[in-house]
Parts: sequence; structure tokens; C-alpha cells
Amino acid sequence: KQEVTQIPAALSVPEGENLVLNCSFTDSAIYNLQWFRQDPGKGLTSLLLIQSSQREQTSGRLNASLDKSSGRSTLYIAASQPGDSATYLCAVLLNQAGTALIFGKGTTLSVSS
Amino acid sequence: KAGVTQTPRYLIKTRGQQVTLSCSPISGHRSVSWYQQTPGQGLQFLFEYFSETQRNKGNFPGRFSGRQFSNSRSEMNVSTLELGDSALYLCASRPTNFGNSPLHFGNGTRLTVT
Repeated sequence: KQEVTQIPAALSVPEGENLVLNCSFTDSAIYNLQWFRQDPGKGLTSLLLIQSSQREQTSGRLNASLDKSSGRSTLYIAASQPGDSATYLCAVLLNQAGTALIFGKGTTLSVSS
Repeated sequence: KAGVTQTPRYLIKTRGQQVTLSCSPISGHRSVSWYQQTPGQGLQFLFEYFSETQRNKGNFPGRFSGRQFSNSRSEMNVSTLELGDSALYLCASRPTNFGNSPLHFGNGTRLTVT
């Protein structure tokens, strides 16, 4: 059974710091991996989607990497800002026809000014 | 382009009652998925609909059901509510039911069962 783990559960950093959020999954047979952001009381915003054949994806200050063989993904946030404060969730999709994302429980990030 | 719209935003119900939640996907999106989010279990997949057909179902009791209409709008129904059904229910849409397109989520319906 696929399980997704995110460590740490919470992270506090000062503004301007570069940081890495970690995501691990138990079964390397995934179709893709997606990173989301969730603000309090809100839905999820898709940040980056990495197909299983890709190694990384970049969007602005965000860079996500994927190492399928080791069951790991990282989300790198450069020059963090207070507006980056949110919960970050990673989720894996098991196959192309599958639609059920399996989520980790998230890392809650707090960036102080 | 309008995002995924969920109504209502908040609901308070009593144990034993039933509830219906509504989701309007992004225009042109034909796949709608539902997820339950609780502090203890996190996000869990409920079911997905594509072209008015349920394509996949998560591990939830039969009290949880859904449907999709010809305009892709979807409803989720929970019967005989239990306290443990209190959660944020999130709807997500995408253009097709192929896994290579990202999901777009609504802001959710917060259900409280008393």
C-alpha cells in the first residue's frame, strides 16, 4: 500500500532564507507527483506537477525534484517571503488511468519578516 | 476563467441527518473528484466522476455517494451523518480523467456534525 510521508510537519524560517521541504513515498511505481499549497481554510493550489519520467520542474522561486528510485521528492523554495507561509502537500498518482491522489499530511511553513 | 466553485461554504448538521454538497468545475473540465480532509487522516479520496459516470471510488462507506450532471457539475451526498463525518470536503476538476493534468481544487465545504 502506497504511503506518503512529509517531514518535518512544521517549519519556521526567517524571511529571505532558502528552504527545502521533503516528501517520501513507499512504492516507486508512481505515474506522477504533485505539490500543492493550502492556505488556512482554503482549498489546494497546484504548484508543480512532475511526471515519473522527469527529474524536476521549476516555477519562479519554486523547484521540485523527483527521485523515483529512492522514493523521494523535494520542494525547494528560494528567498522565502512571509506570503509563502502555508501548508505544503505532496501527492502521488499511481497510474495514468488512476485518479485517486495519495497525499502526505503536509508541512506547515511559517516565514517571519 | 472562473475556478472550481463549491457551495455552501459552511454547513452545520445533526447526527442522523443527510447533506448534499455541490461542485461546479472549471468550464470545459469534465472530470470531478471529491476528497475529505480531516486533521487526523489528512486528505482522502472519495470518488471521481467523468462524463456522468463514477470512474473510481475510495474506501468510504456506502453512506457517501455522488453524481455528475451533463454540464459536469457534481453533487456529493452523505446520509445518516455521524460525528466523524465532520471535515472539509474538497472538490477538484481537470479537463480529462487522464493523470497527466493537474487537479484544480475549490475552497471546500466545511461540514460540522453535532
